[in-house]
Amino acid sequence: QVQLQQSGPGLVKPSQTLSLTCAISGDSVSSNSAAWNWIRQSPSRGLEWLGRTYYRSKWYNDYAVSVKSRITINPDTSKNQFSLQLNSVTPEDTAVYYCARESYQGMATINDYWGQGTLVTVSS
Amino acid sequence: EIVLTQSPGTLSLSPGERATLSCRASQSVSSSYLAWYQQKPGQAPRLLIYGASNRATGIPDRFGGSGSGTDFTLTISRLEPEDFAVYYCQQYGSSPPLTFGGGTKVEIK
Repeated sequence: QVQLQQSGPGLVKPSQTLSLTCAISGDSVSSNSAAWNWIRQSPSRGLEWLGRTYYRSKWYNDYAVSVKSRITINPDTSKNQFSLQLNSVTPEDTAVYYCARESYQGMATINDYWGQGTLVTVSS
Repeated sequence: EIVLTQSPGTLSLSPGERATLSCRASQSVSSSYLAWYQQKPGQAPRLLIYGASNRATGIPDRFGGSGSGTDFTLTISRLEPEDFAVYYCQQYGSSPPLTFGGGTKVEIK
């Protein structure tokens, strides 16, 4: 059974960096048949994909255009986890942040396991 | 970017009734890449349907998905009390890799 456990602060000051970690059990961050995503949810923006990291003989990252200049997602193979860093945050970055596994059922791509969510508030 | 529009925004129904939720895409979506999720307050989304019509593991058969191209439907044949929640459609594409619809809330009438 795959489990994703999120950790990180719930309050970040404007202009600072939001940092979250997603620890994986039951799978490997280096899996060739999965990708590891960050998704956030807010009343104003709904569910918004932020980016992902995945390993296919080498590491790849994809980022949403809306945050591309501010985001970094890194795998940590020694701890079997991956992290999100979002720089220069503003109150518009206030949201519940989720990590989620992307995997494949036949031809379909799915997000079958999710972290518990972390409410991050950007406020001074 | 493919935009997914869900309707209605809110569906007010009684337990035992049938729910029909719509998801319309701004351009054609491969059925393989269309999924439905259920979300309850304070919880992460839960995968219900993938590949437009395949139930995920452990999902009861009262949930069904159909559609192709730009029009997809989630049907709940007989609403149980635990089915009152928000439902999202999702598509996997190329850029960005995935997008979600705005959601349909199924509430108790």
